Amino acid sequence: GAVVSQHPSRVICKSGTSVKIECRSLDFQATTMFWYRQFPKQSLMLMATSNEGSKATYEQGVEKDKFLINHASLTLSTLTVTSAHPEDSSFYICSASELGRGKQETQYFGPGTRLLVL
Amino acid sequence: AQRVTQPEKLLSVFKGAPVELKCNYSYSGSPELFWYVQYSRQRLQLLLRHISRESIKGFTADLNKGETSFHLKKPFAQEEDSAMYYCALLYGSSNTGKLIFGQGTTLQVKP
Repeated sequence: GAVVSQHPSRVICKSGTSVKIECRSLDFQATTMFWYRQFPKQSLMLMATSNEGSKATYEQGVEKDKFLINHASLTLSTLTVTSAHPEDSSFYICSASELGRGKQETQYFGPGTRLLVL
Repeated sequence: AQRVTQPEKLLSVFKGAPVELKCNYSYSGSPELFWYVQYSRQRLQLLLRHISRESIKGFTADLNKGETSFHLKKPFAQEEDSAMYYCALLYGSSNTGKLIFGQGTTLQVKP
């Protein structure tokens, strides 16, 4: 089956620093990757949609300069939280849509990255 | 605007009892709906989607456009069904379609 990995799984950083989170599709090519944020005991909220080779599309209310997304290849997307503050602490989850096979609408999720900003 | 509502935060049943997890949606286009499940300490994974009309792990879900619902059902709950269940709606084009999730329902199956 399609597998999506995220790295790191957990990160603690000081306020004001930047943190990069990687999302990889391990055994398939992903035309589109999605970044979500999940607060404790709440649902996933879509932050942005990332297409390989083009600029990410951000959802309303998400600061593009704060959450930099790069989708450099069909298997890798990165989310950089710039100048992180305690309110950015959250669980960040990526997902990837499979290219071809008529399965574009199926999203495969990564295990998530727990970010704690002190 | 599109919206997915799961009215129950927690559903607790005994093993062997029927289960129905409710999901209602609001969407102006043709809806494509999914159920995702997240077992304890595991990642979110697709359980089923309405276009497949399949039964996975004994679960089924029927899209009712008149009631704008996509409830998840299982006739006899098992303890291993205990998990968080999210209903999701696909919107946008099939190539860049986004998912909007409901708030999730925790299913607790007691022995």
